[in-house]
Amino acid sequence: DIQMTQSPSSLSASVGDRVTITCRASQGIGNFLAWFQQKPGKAPKSLIFAASTLQSGVPSKFSGSGSGTDFTLTISGLQPEDFATYYCQQYNTYPLTFGQGTRLEIK
Amino acid sequence: QLQLQESGPGLVKPSETLSLTCTVSGGSISGSSYFWGWVRQPPGKGLEWIGSVYYSGSTYYNPSLKSRVSISVDTSKNQFSLKLSSVTAADTAVYYCARHGGTSRYFDSWGQGTLVTVSS
Repeated sequence: DIQMTQSPSSLSASVGDRVTITCRASQGIGNFLAWFQQKPGKAPKSLIFAASTLQSGVPSKFSGSGSGTDFTLTISGLQPEDFATYYCQQYNTYPLTFGQGTRLEIK
Repeated sequence: QLQLQESGPGLVKPSETLSLTCTVSGGSISGSSYFWGWVRQPPGKGLEWIGSVYYSGSTYYNPSLKSRVSISVDTSKNQFSLKLSSVTAADTAVYYCARHGGTSRYFDSWGQGTLVTVSS
C-alpha cells in the first residue's frame, strides 16, 4: 500500500494568513493526488485533483502543487470558513489511501 | 445535481454483519465510467477506503478488509450496497458512499454519511 503522510497534523493560523500543508507519498504517484476539506459533522469536499487542478466552484485561494512523492496545498487569505480538516488522497494505485489529516485551527 | 444517500441500521451487534445501501439520484449508475465506493471514518479519526464497485459488478477492495467485505450494485434501483461481516467495536464509524472515476480515482461526490455503532 502507498502510505500518505501529512504535515503538520495541526496548524494554528489567523484570519488573512496564508498556510501550506504538505503531503508525502511513500512511493511515486505521479500527479494522482487529490485534496479534500472536511468540516465537523460533514462529508469531505473535493478541492483539488491531479495535484493542482481546482474542482469546479472551488475558489482560487486554494492551490496545489507537486508531483512524484511531495505535494503541497496552499490556502491564501484565510477566512473563518476555511478552518477545517484537510486530507490528501492518492489515486495512482489501489488501495486508495488518504493522509491522516491536518486540522487547521483559528489562532 | 448528483446526490448520494446512505441508509441502513445505525446499531449492529458484535460478530454480526453490517449492511448499508447507497441510493444515487440525479444521475445513473449504469453505463457511466464511474466507480461507486465506500469510505469510513471512525470517530475523531481519518478516512479509510473500503472498496468500490463498477456498474458491471466489478469490484476493488481494501486488502485490510477484503476477507469481510462485499460490495454489490443494483442498477435497476440505482443503488449499491456494502456488507461487512464479523464486525467488532473497531468497525464503529461514519460510513460514506462516494463516487470516483475509473482512471481519475479521486472521490468527487459524497453522501452525507451515516454513523454505524457496533455494540451489544
